[in-house]
Amino acid sequence: GENVEQHPSTLSVQEGDSAVIKCTYSDSASNYFPWYKQELGKRPQLIIDIRSNVGEKKDQRIAVTLNKTAKHFSLHITETQPEDSAVYFCAASAGGTSYGKLTFGQGTILTVHP
Amino acid sequence: SAVISQKPSRDICQRGTSLTIQCQVDSQVTMMFWYRQQPGQSLTLIATANQGSEATYESGFVIDKFPISRPNLTFSTLTVSNMSPEDSSIYLCSTDGQASFPTDTQYFGPGTRLTVL
Repeated sequence: GENVEQHPSTLSVQEGDSAVIKCTYSDSASNYFPWYKQELGKRPQLIIDIRSNVGEKKDQRIAVTLNKTAKHFSLHITETQPEDSAVYFCAASAGGTSYGKLTFGQGTILTVHP
Repeated sequence: SAVISQKPSRDICQRGTSLTIQCQVDSQVTMMFWYRQQPGQSLTLIATANQGSEATYESGFVIDKFPISRPNLTFSTLTVSNMSPEDSSIYLCSTDGQASFPTDTQYFGPGTRLTVL
């Protein structure tokens, strides 16, 4: 089955700096890669996603890049703010009979210091 | 996206007992999924619940321990049976919010925080 590795496990940045979180996946059939933000005691919230026919996607301060050849994808947050502090999870889905099934990375605790 | 609710939001249970968690969606959806999030950990898929068919379970999860019902297109339940402290987790349901054209985009319910003593 699919395996998703996520790094780093913790990330501490100063307000205004950029943050980058990286994930690798093992199943070449995976074609959908979402990112979730989970604040303490809250549900995971979808913040951005990318499909395998696209190399990069941006939404204001966040962007995701995908390298299918290397099987890795990354989340980039620019101009970080204290409210960006949360746990971020990457995930992968293979479609077909696995449609909608998500395999998650281990998570990254992001702390943005004012 | 669909509005997803879960009941109960949290519970404290004694070992050996069972708890049924409900997931309600405000629109008809084809696929619903159940995940477990152990304390401080990531999310792990338990099973897929599609209306009109038996739930399909992921490796490491069995129907006797986690029976699932999907009586209609807006509702599903997950039961955690014969609980032990190792079952203490957050249980979340997810759906794409679609009935006609399923997508792989998933939205999560608020979760049920279960503590087993």
